Amino acid sequence: GIQVEQSPPDLILQEGANSTLRCNFSDSVNNLQWFHQNPWGQLINLFYIPSGTKQNGRLSATTVATERYSLLYISSSQTTDSGVYFCAVDPYGGSQGNLIFGKGTKLSVKP
Amino acid sequence: DADVTQTPRNRITKTGKRIMLECSQTKGHDRMYWYRQDPGLGLQLIYYSFDVKDINKGEISDGYSVSRQAQAKFSLSLESAIPNQTALYFCATMPSGGNEQFFGPGTRLTVL
Repeated sequence: GIQVEQSPPDLILQEGANSTLRCNFSDSVNNLQWFHQNPWGQLINLFYIPSGTKQNGRLSATTVATERYSLLYISSSQTTDSGVYFCAVDPYGGSQGNLIFGKGTKLSVKP
Repeated sequence: DADVTQTPRNRITKTGKRIMLECSQTKGHDRMYWYRQDPGLGLQLIYYSFDVKDINKGEISDGYSVSRQAQAKFSLSLESAIPNQTALYFCATMPSGGNEQFFGPGTRLTVL
């Protein structure tokens, strides 16, 4: 089946710094979503982005479907950005909506 | 005002007990999903349902069963809980023809 790899696995930043998180996937996808899991365990939708670029405040994401990767950019990081960031894909030709998750990038933002 | 709710939010049970986790949604979505998250890992799909009469197994369905009581309700059961089913369980919904899934707050289950 499709493989989803996220890097780096862990990231420590000073407040105010910028960062880039990467998601590589091994096959074509119908759908790609980025999530933030906060320290309380809740999953928050960040982006639905099977291709192209989107921005939402300090966060933006780019997916290059032909090269099978997606990037999540966090600018001017804040302590509230801490948590785990997941990339999840719905494989092309699959049953639609059965998301395959990467193992996540754990982000810690220090004040 | 949560659109996807899960009950209970936390549960501690003993090996061999039957337990049910419930999910309700007010989004009007046809598709519902149950995922499991083990510590330090991403989520894995247990079961999914495209409508009340359409239920399908996911990657890790062994030891679990589900019931889709109505469009808005999807329950997950552990018939005889075992310690390695200790995990965080998430319910999710998606509209038919849609592309984005929306997750509930999760249920933290501990099996002693």
